[in-house]
Amino acid sequence: SQKIEQNSEALNIQEGKTATLTCNYTNYSPAYLQWYRQDPGRGPVFLLLIRENEKEKRKERLKVTFDTTLKQSLFHITASQPADSATYLCALAAGSGYSTLTFGKGTMLLVSP
Amino acid sequence: GAVVSQHPSWVICKSGTSVKIECRSLDFQATTMFWYRQFPKQSLMLMATSNEGSKATYEQGVEKDKFLINHASLTLSTLTVTSAHPEDSSFYICSAIGQGATEQYFGPGTRLTVT
Repeated sequence: SQKIEQNSEALNIQEGKTATLTCNYTNYSPAYLQWYRQDPGRGPVFLLLIRENEKEKRKERLKVTFDTTLKQSLFHITASQPADSATYLCALAAGSGYSTLTFGKGTMLLVSP
Repeated sequence: GAVVSQHPSWVICKSGTSVKIECRSLDFQATTMFWYRQFPKQSLMLMATSNEGSKATYEQGVEKDKFLINHASLTLSTLTVTSAHPEDSSFYICSAIGQGATEQYFGPGTRLTVT
């Protein structure tokens, strides 16, 4: 069956370090993968999209990699700040166009001062 | 750009009553809107996909007669929870996509509590 796993429920790091979150999937052939940030009691906020033919995407302090052989995406936040504390969700779209997304459970990141 | 709003942000209703939640795309035309439900510490679960002017497509296990979805215009979709029960208490979130786009933009969510 199709499964999306995000490495851990929670990740604690010190301010200034790089946070690395993992998203693994099985039995999918995603056309693209998206990362979202979700704060408590709020809807997800879109961060980055990476397509199946792209290896890496960057946006300011964020970097996403996508390895379709390993069936894995890594999400990095460099120079992390306490304001980066939130839950980060990965989501896969199996088809092209506006295909529906399937979400992982998320990883809660806590950045300590 | 790409702002999606939801109304209300929270609602408390009695068991057996119906509740309507609105989802609006404020600065773009949403050809497709999605409705999700999220329980505490769980992932977003897709309930249905709606295209403007046509019937919604419901995911397996979601009762279409209980969760009525209307997408009457390119900027508005509504979800009505009919005959609500306590087990319907959850966080309901909508998202929207513009024509030709791939990124989904999410509303802030609606917390429904059925007493």
